[in-house]
Amino acid sequence: DVKVTQSSRYLVKRTGEKVFLECVQDMDHENMFWYRQDPGLGLRLIYFSYDVKMKEKGDIPEGYSVSREKKERFSLILESASTNQTSMYLCASSLFGTGRNEKLFFGSGTQLSVL
Amino acid sequence: AQTVTQSQPEMSVQEAETVTLSCTYDTSESDYYLFWYKQPPSRQMILVIRQEAYKQQNATENRFSVNFQKAAKSFSLKISDSQLGDAAMYFCAYRSPLGQGAQKLVFGQGTRLTINP
Repeated sequence: DVKVTQSSRYLVKRTGEKVFLECVQDMDHENMFWYRQDPGLGLRLIYFSYDVKMKEKGDIPEGYSVSREKKERFSLILESASTNQTSMYLCASSLFGTGRNEKLFFGSGTQLSVL
Repeated sequence: AQTVTQSQPEMSVQEAETVTLSCTYDTSESDYYLFWYKQPPSRQMILVIRQEAYKQQNATENRFSVNFQKAAKSFSLKISDSQLGDAAMYFCAYRSPLGQGAQKLVFGQGTRLTINP
């Protein structure tokens, strides 16, 4: 089975800190995604990547950046954490294709609290 | 841009009963994919069921089935014979079929389902 691993399940950071959220997948997937999950808002896409060193902005990229230096790893970076970035962060991956049989595989999430 | 709306923040059902979760979406595309995902307390998102818009037949997976009304842009999930393990947050999601943006999902707000024993 595909495994998507997020480095931390819970994380507490201070306002202004630089924060790195790491995600690793073990099935050679081309696509990787970072979503943010908030009550009443569902999941919103922050960034996604369809290849090494490639990235595309999602719906809410402000305040975030990403890095994909290796195919299996996709990092989300909060350059200067703020309290409104307190949230659950979910990483996902999938194969590149025409979409008919694609499946998105998710990590177990990182609950980030910014104090 | 596509949007997905789940108007029921919370639902509850008695064990062994049937419950229907609602989802509507907005799109100008004629072909697309719709999904229901389940997120239990473990936070691991699990794909429950998938529907391809070009297929008129409603998808079914064991106790889970959908009512896909393309003209009404409605995609509801029916859970039959509800079990305690069905308790979770359920998300409806949309995906375009083509282009780089086709790889991403657009999610609804979620519905928290409680199963009463």
